[in-house]
Amino acid sequence: ILNVEQSPQSLHVQEGDSTNFTCSFPSSNFYALHWYRWETAKSPEALFVMTLNGDEKKKGRISATLNTKEGYSYLYIKGSQPEDSATYLCAFENYGGATNKLIFGTGTLLAVQP
Amino acid sequence: GAGVSQSPSNKVTEKGKDVELRCDPISGHTALYWYRQSLGQGLEFLIYFQGNSAPDKSGLPSDRFSAERTGGSVSTLTIQRTQQEDSAVYLCASSPSQPEQYFGPGTRLTVT
Repeated sequence: ILNVEQSPQSLHVQEGDSTNFTCSFPSSNFYALHWYRWETAKSPEALFVMTLNGDEKKKGRISATLNTKEGYSYLYIKGSQPEDSATYLCAFENYGGATNKLIFGTGTLLAVQP
Repeated sequence: GAGVSQSPSNKVTEKGKDVELRCDPISGHTALYWYRQSLGQGLEFLIYFQGNSAPDKSGLPSDRFSAERTGGSVSTLTIQRTQQEDSAVYLCASSPSQPEQYFGPGTRLTVT
């Protein structure tokens, strides 16, 4: 059974704080690691797709790193804003399947207080 | 531009009734996926379509669940004889190619 774990489960920070979350995934048969941002009543929004060990990606104040050998990825948010409040999901995609289905963690719920 | 759309956005149904959930993928996307998120759980894969065929149905939880896709476009997920444990948010995603998947806003199903 392929297991993807995220921590923490939830996080409350003040506006301006920087924060980070962790995603752990199987280190074998790795194909890609996805990060999504999901606001209530909206579609999950793709943030990053990472495929190479050591990858670092950045979009504005949000960045992510990837370690496929040890099976973890970090998502960082610099200077959190209230509009960053959402659930952040990571998803593992394994190599060798014809489906490219995503195996999701349960997410980290971020609440940014103004 | 038009994204993935799903209907209805909310559905409340009585236990034992059948429901149909609809997904309109982004035009031209050949791959289509259904996922669901039950309370307290992560998003769970249900079924994958490539064109009109479903090479991977491994995530469908029981034979009460079925899905079809016609014309390589719209997909319908049908749940027969709904049970309370079917209550969840059902999400559809489409993809033009590996690895990106674009999600719709979901249908929140409540079985009373």
